[in-house]
Amino acid sequence: AQSVAQPEDQVNVAEGNPLTVKCTYSVSGNPYLFWYVQYPNRGLQFLLKYITGDNLVKGSYGFEAEFNKSQTSFHLKKPSALVSDSALYFCAVRRYNNNDMRFGAGTRLTVKP
Amino acid sequence: DGGITQSPKYLFRKEGQNVTLSCEQNLNHDAMYWYRQDPGQGLRLIYYSQIVNDFQKGDIAEGYSVSREKKESFPLTVTSAQKNPTAFYLCASSMSRAGAWETQYFGPGTRLLVL
Repeated sequence: AQSVAQPEDQVNVAEGNPLTVKCTYSVSGNPYLFWYVQYPNRGLQFLLKYITGDNLVKGSYGFEAEFNKSQTSFHLKKPSALVSDSALYFCAVRRYNNNDMRFGAGTRLTVKP
Repeated sequence: DGGITQSPKYLFRKEGQNVTLSCEQNLNHDAMYWYRQDPGQGLRLIYYSQIVNDFQKGDIAEGYSVSREKKESFPLTVTSAQKNPTAFYLCASSMSRAGAWETQYFGPGTRLLVL
């Protein structure tokens, strides 16, 4: 079975600084990895995904994520944080040929002016 | 949230009452999903449907039921057997029933509270 860990419940960064939200996964075979963002009392919005190919994936709103197979990680990054990036971020993993998507517990990002 | 609607936004349930949450999509997606979100626990899968008239249990199906009579609709009923129903419920859909790489798109959610 696949699983995802987001080791930090909370990440605080200053506006304009780079941000990283960490995600590690466990899955047999090749993983499909996803990042979503959730604003208060809203549904999840898709940011980006890794399927295959280039390890650096670029997504919406200036976010990117780096797939690292040896470290089984898929950290979300942004070069310069905005206050409007403050939200709850979820990492998720799916295994090839499996409809079961597993979500991490979420990381709350706070960007301070 | 575009293309997937959930209603109502807030729902109150009395003891012993069944309530139904609506989910409709106009994306022509084959697959639809129901998740439950509790604070600090991420999302947990309740049921999913890969095609009309077919659905499968997820991790926490007990106390819930679904139907999939139309491609665009996947209502969730929270029955009286569900003893702790207070949560945020999210509906999602994806294009293909076979592709694990397909992105799931989410509706805005329904918050269920017990009176």
